[in-house]
Amino acid sequence: GAVVSQHPSRVICKSGTSVKIECRSLDFQATTMFWYRQFPKQSLMLMATSNEGSKATYEQGVEKDKFLINHASLTLSTLTVTSAHPEDSSFYICSALGQLNTEAFFGQGTRLTVV
Amino acid sequence: RKEVEQDPGPFNVPEGATVAFNCTYSNSASQSFFWYRQDCRKEPKLLMSVYSSGNEDGRFTAQLNRASQYISLLIRDSKLSDSATYLCVVTPSGGSYIPTFGRGTSLIVHP
Repeated sequence: GAVVSQHPSRVICKSGTSVKIECRSLDFQATTMFWYRQFPKQSLMLMATSNEGSKATYEQGVEKDKFLINHASLTLSTLTVTSAHPEDSSFYICSALGQLNTEAFFGQGTRLTVV
Repeated sequence: RKEVEQDPGPFNVPEGATVAFNCTYSNSASQSFFWYRQDCRKEPKLLMSVYSSGNEDGRFTAQLNRASQYISLLIRDSKLSDSATYLCVVTPSGGSYIPTFGRGTSLIVHP
């Protein structure tokens, strides 16, 4: 099946620094990728929809200047958490739709801890 | 009303038991339905798609009730390894294709 690779799987950073998370579709072209955030015991919450070659669409309440999304190619989307704060500590997961735009394939997730 | 709702549980069942989860969705035009499984601190993985006619995969049976706008997942002969969170995912029609997740239902299978 389709594979989505996300890294790093775990990162610890200091407050005020920026962290970049990469999401790659390895064997298919993903025109649309999604970025989710999951706090402990909470559901996956959609942060933004990333479309190749255009600006990302952010969900209400998600700061686009803080969570920078770049989808420069059909196989790569990146999420940069800028000026990270401890409250940004969470599990971030990317997802890409398969060719038929039905099934979603997930990256392994990134556990971000801001200290 | 949330778009996709699930009872968070936990459902605590003994090995060998049969357990069922429901998931309700609010958008009557929803197109695709899935059950994903998520283990602690891991990414969700597709368990099975849900078709209008219902589908079965070994011990797992998924069904869709469009009239009442819910999908269900039935697990027979529960195993310890079935312990996980089960996420209901609904994809709308109309071209947006954005998967919407339920909160997940936690299942704990004990000896």
